[in-house]
Amino acid sequence: EVQLVQSGAEVKKPGESLKISCKGSGYSFTSYWIGWVRQMPGKGLEWMGIIYPRDSDTRYSPSFQGQVTISADKSISTAYLQWSSLKASDTAMYYCARHRGSVATISYADYWGQGTLVTVSS
Amino acid sequence: QSALTQPASVSGSPGQSITISCTGTSSDVGGYNYVSWYQQHPGKAPKLMIYDVSNRPSGVSNRFSGSKSGNTASLTISGLQAEDEADYYCSSYRRSSTVVFGGGTKLTVL
Repeated sequence: EVQLVQSGAEVKKPGESLKISCKGSGYSFTSYWIGWVRQMPGKGLEWMGIIYPRDSDTRYSPSFQGQVTISADKSISTAYLQWSSLKASDTAMYYCARHRGSVATISYADYWGQGTLVTVSS
Repeated sequence: QSALTQPASVSGSPGQSITISCTGTSSDVGGYNYVSWYQQHPGKAPKLMIYDVSNRPSGVSNRFSGSKSGNTASLTISGLQAEDEADYYCSSYRRSSTVVFGGGTKLTVL
């Protein structure tokens, strides 16, 4: 059974750093893209970026380029999303999702993690 | 980057059919057959309902169907049921190797 299990909720202060995780199981972790999606309170889904764990090929939405870093450790089948300096506006639910597609095009997200709630408040 | 355009809300009575539109450009919806649709119930993770414009994943009811014409994709739900009440999001591959979501549509079953 394919599963993506995300790390638990976080409460942080502005300016702090954070790294959240997404562990895949039940499939070949290195054969599928893993993407990250933000959902701010009461708002819609926003695609942030994606990584191909086999070679760490990473692509970012222009809206998130330079704001976050996506990485992966294929030895433990885990992808990460990290911030170096959080802002209150980073408060949101963050989902990881396995994406289908090729190196040339990225298609649909067929499996999703349960979400990690990040709250940034002074 | 700008999101795909969806109506904010649609509604229908049980048993009726509704269609949700998703309008993009030739750089995303119109240029590729990589449109997908997701259902999200409150407090839950999104669920894939349609992929590659018109394909249904295993386990998704055949009451859900997808299509595309030009720069606009559509999700149709026939035989509306109370459990279909949720938020629906379209998504498309966009030139420059990224993915973009629509703003979301709230479906109310009257």
